[in-house]
Amino acid sequence: SQQGEEDPQALSIQEGENATMNCSYKTSINNLQWYRQNSGRGLVHLILIRSNEREKHSGRLRVTLDTSKKSSSLLITASRAADTASYFCATLGEETSGSRLTFGEGTQLTVNP
Amino acid sequence: EAGVTQSPTHLIKTRGQQATLRCSPISGHTSVYWYQQALGLGLQFLLWYDEGEERNRGNFPPRFSGRQFPNYSSELNVNALELEDSALYLCASSSYGGGPQETQYFGPGTRLLVL
Repeated sequence: SQQGEEDPQALSIQEGENATMNCSYKTSINNLQWYRQNSGRGLVHLILIRSNEREKHSGRLRVTLDTSKKSSSLLITASRAADTASYFCATLGEETSGSRLTFGEGTQLTVNP
Repeated sequence: EAGVTQSPTHLIKTRGQQATLRCSPISGHTSVYWYQQALGLGLQFLLWYDEGEERNRGNFPPRFSGRQFPNYSSELNVNALELEDSALYLCASSSYGGGPQETQYFGPGTRLLVL
């Protein structure tokens, strides 16, 4: 079963607006990563935030992490039509025997030109 | 630098057959991961190989198996195919298996259709 949950499941905005996606998870983590997937193809890594970090920036992306609430958010500023894709959060658990990523169910973002 | 590559891009099989999917990691990466993305089930972890050994396995039946070769490339085999095995199979690689710095980089996937 999926550990993570993203909301909203779908988001439609106009070009130039900001898009915010949220992710919740259930267990302790080493890090949390955000990925983008275009039309059922491979995943593109966007950003990684470690469990001891609270905020991270990369270009137009801003990620926050609240380990007390077991949640993260991804903000895309000044969105473009090319940002249209599915966005997934994935957590790397603390368990010593793992190295698996546990994915959320994804947010489908549509940016209208 | 070349990314993770996977072959074939698409694969069509019939129920009961066997499928073999291949993955080449980023140069220098020793860990390879396999994930299944089936409609309605999301992305699920299948297998993790590191230095030629299977390190971890997801909640999949034994007919899902694989191996990692000395050059770190990997193969995923699915025996006795069932209709519900139809999915996008994604391979990822990383330079270090586990820890707060680990980033997994994904290939474009193999879309398997079982008829």
